[in-house]
Amino acid sequence: DGGITQSPKYLFRKEGQNVTLSCEQNLNHDAMYWYRQDPGQGLRLIYYSQIVNDFQKGDIAEGYSVSREKKESFPLTVTSAQKNPTAFYLCATRPRANRNTEAFFGQGTRLTVV
Amino acid sequence: DAKTTQPNSMESNEEEPVHLPCNHSTISGTDYIHWYRQLPSQGPEYVIHGLTSNVNNRMASLAIAEDRKSSTLILHRATLRDAAVYYCILRDVGGSQGNLIFGKGTKLSVKP
Repeated sequence: DGGITQSPKYLFRKEGQNVTLSCEQNLNHDAMYWYRQDPGQGLRLIYYSQIVNDFQKGDIAEGYSVSREKKESFPLTVTSAQKNPTAFYLCATRPRANRNTEAFFGQGTRLTVV
Repeated sequence: DAKTTQPNSMESNEEEPVHLPCNHSTISGTDYIHWYRQLPSQGPEYVIHGLTSNVNNRMASLAIAEDRKSSTLILHRATLRDAAVYYCILRDVGGSQGNLIFGKGTKLSVKP
């Protein structure tokens, strides 16, 4: 199957712990994105990567980190510095970082801090 | 900040057409208008996009005003599966190249 796989679907974390969310794609897309969604809100951009070994901060990058060592993978680490990490996290890809191409989204990871 | 304005919610009856409006008065000449929708607890999915001319695909139609300051997503016959949050989006002009800036969207309810 072609697509975007986010894992796990649900994740629980204790306060003060780092946690890594996985995003894998086999679409051969160059650009990958991480968004955060809070209840009743739209999506906010955390980080994005237009090419392997390069990534840029989005609007709400504080408390998060990413890596892009392979084209297929763009993991997101939620660090203890993120004060309110409970949210729905969405990974997306695009063939290129071109505004006219559609974005494809994974099914999301719901992170809860306990 | 999102650069589009949409109603918070709309209701429709099943099998009737639905017109979802979007205002984007500050749109630039090269901005494309994208529409996505998000079902509960899922990631958004692409619906349609356009620049100036009206666009049709198997999911919906997009009507763009002549001055491009507004657009309307048209679902020709709403079904219960069309109940979702619909986002009208422009290209990010502020920085992150090619990114999509999502507002709160319009929550569409479909009544049987």
